[in-house]
Amino acid sequence: GAVVSQHPSRVICKSGTSVKIECRSLDFQATTMFWYRQFPKKSLMLMATSNEGSKATYEQGVEKDKFLINHASLTLSTLTVTSAHPEDSSFYICSAQQGAGKTYEQYFGPGTRLTVT
Amino acid sequence: GDSVTQMEGPVTLSEEAFLTINCTYTATGYPSLFWYVQYPGEGLQLLLKATKADDKGSNKGFEATYRKETTSFHLEKGSVQVSDSAVYFCAQLGSSASKIIFGSGTRLSIRP
Repeated sequence: GAVVSQHPSRVICKSGTSVKIECRSLDFQATTMFWYRQFPKKSLMLMATSNEGSKATYEQGVEKDKFLINHASLTLSTLTVTSAHPEDSSFYICSAQQGAGKTYEQYFGPGTRLTVT
Repeated sequence: GDSVTQMEGPVTLSEEAFLTINCTYTATGYPSLFWYVQYPGEGLQLLLKATKADDKGSNKGFEATYRKETTSFHLEKGSVQVSDSAVYFCAQLGSSASKIIFGSGTRLSIRP
């Protein structure tokens, strides 16, 4: 089956620093990648949708200057949390899809737990 | 707007008990429906899915039937195991978008 990896799995950073999270599709090319945020004991909140080679589409209420997304290739998308603050601490999950639209299944990464101190 | 509502947890059962986790949806058109499972500290895994009315998705002993008349997709398993302890998310993918809409999740704990 399709495998999506995330790196790192856990990261602790100091307030004010930036953190980059990588999402890779290991055995397929992902035209579209999604970034989600999950708060403790809550559901997943879609942050943004990124298509390879174009700008990400952010959901309402998500600061695009704070959460920088780069979908540089068909197998890699990165999420950079800039000037992180403790309220950014969360579990970030990416998913990857081979095409656009509902006919393509999304495959989820294992998640990255970010703790900002 | 489109939404997914699932029963609140936590749900605690003894091993070999029968499991039902209720899920209903609201949508324009006919979405695809999913159940995802999240084990502790991990991302989501697709458990099963159904793409049209009366379809039954099944995997690992879990089943769910797409009921258009009741707009439901309840998850069932006849005999749960300790290893089934996880958080279960019901979700839909609308016909007009590629954005998955998740329910709030139901935490399931199985006692030996």
